Amino acid sequence: NAGVTQTPKFQVLKTGQSMTLQCAQDMNHEYMSWYRQDPGMGLRLIHYSVGAGITDQGEVPNGYNVSRSTTEDFPLRLLSAAPSQTSVYFCASSSTGSSGEQYFGPGTRLTVT
Amino acid sequence: EDQVTQSPEALRLQEGESSSLNCSYTVSGLRGLFWYRQDPGKGPEFLFTLYSAGEEKEKERLKATLTKKESFLHITAPKPEDSATYLCAVPMRGTASKLTFGTGTRLQVTL
Repeated sequence: NAGVTQTPKFQVLKTGQSMTLQCAQDMNHEYMSWYRQDPGMGLRLIHYSVGAGITDQGEVPNGYNVSRSTTEDFPLRLLSAAPSQTSVYFCASSSTGSSGEQYFGPGTRLTVT
Repeated sequence: EDQVTQSPEALRLQEGESSSLNCSYTVSGLRGLFWYRQDPGKGPEFLFTLYSAGEEKEKERLKATLTKKESFLHITAPKPEDSATYLCAVPMRGTASKLTFGTGTRLQVTL
């Protein structure tokens, strides 16, 4: 199993550009989530999904959209990138149906200039 | 407001020098406390789940314990490969679907 995969690993955007961060898992996990990690702030939940077709907001959802059309994929869309979205983004999944025991992907380092 | 506070922010130990990391929380009706390890440039890796006061979990040189207000991660006779950032997290009040993470303790173990 590949586990949780994320692409790209690095990305540089200009302010106002849009892009999609890809996340996929091959463990048939129902629960998936997106976090951002900033120095001194810890991991903060952006959006999460408890199954295909079901998504909900986390702690910091503004400026981001998600959809969950399949169990395997959970892409994160930045609608109009801003410098405040410069961060490291992690996708995670869980087999337990809740958020506690999660498998994290390797992360995407995003810089918005 | 749900809060998770970890201390110390950074800890430097010599190989074999045991110590403890602290995670305190303010969430009422705890639905579990989770410990993760994060190596530089990588995603967090799940270590332990604790559900009730008095519970303990062990893995190699690590032992996690839980009281009603805090959790400790005890590191016994650490080795350089234990160097990492250790994160704790709890579900936000009223839901098992959202985690609040602490900012972590950065542990460095030297020879």
